[in-house]
Amino acid sequence: EAQVTQNPRYLITVTGKKLTVTCSQNMNHEYMSWYRQDPGLGLRQIYYSMNVEVTDKGDVPEGYKVSRKEKRNFPLILESPSPNQTSLYFCASSLSHPGYTEAFFGQGTRLTVV
Amino acid sequence: AQSVAQPEDQVNVAEGNPLTVKCTYSVSGNPYLFWYVQYPNRGLQFLLKYITGDNLVKGSYGFEAEFNKSQTSFHLKKPSALVSDSALYFCAVILQGDTNAGKSTFGDGTTLTVKP
Repeated sequence: EAQVTQNPRYLITVTGKKLTVTCSQNMNHEYMSWYRQDPGLGLRQIYYSMNVEVTDKGDVPEGYKVSRKEKRNFPLILESPSPNQTSLYFCASSLSHPGYTEAFFGQGTRLTVV
Repeated sequence: AQSVAQPEDQVNVAEGNPLTVKCTYSVSGNPYLFWYVQYPNRGLQFLLKYITGDNLVKGSYGFEAEFNKSQTSFHLKKPSALVSDSALYFCAVILQGDTNAGKSTFGDGTTLTVKP
């Protein structure tokens, strides 16, 4: 089944403790992206990747890191999480340029930083 | 810079009535435009997109949207609403061209409630 898989689905952590949210897609998609969803703010793009070893900042990259060492994986790294990073996070992928083809979204990761 | 506005946080319609969810955008260039739907506790699902050509775009589940370049709008419509259409709807814009290729901007979302 074609899908985007995020892990974990739920995470509660403490301020400053490094964490990684994994994202994997099995559709051989070139493009991958991370978003955060907050009430009243919609979805905001954190980072995106047009292909392996190519990453770019979205609108809210501060406090996050990403890497794209292989096509299928695009992990989101929070080196020192803070409470303002409490949010619902979505990973998405698309076959090529996201303007040409629709994005497929993961189920989401609900992160709470205390 | 690109931006998307969904002026209504909430839209309520009766089942069987037509529905419209509004979206306006601002880009310095030509846009790709999308609508996505999010059901509770789920990720977003693609509904339809406008790239070029016919201004009226038809998508999944009987939805359609009309691209209006002069009004910079891309409103989502359906002739006859179903209770199962109740969900959160997002409009998104991606700028055509090489600059910031891949950067996508979403609206804040509109909650659609269809009452029996």
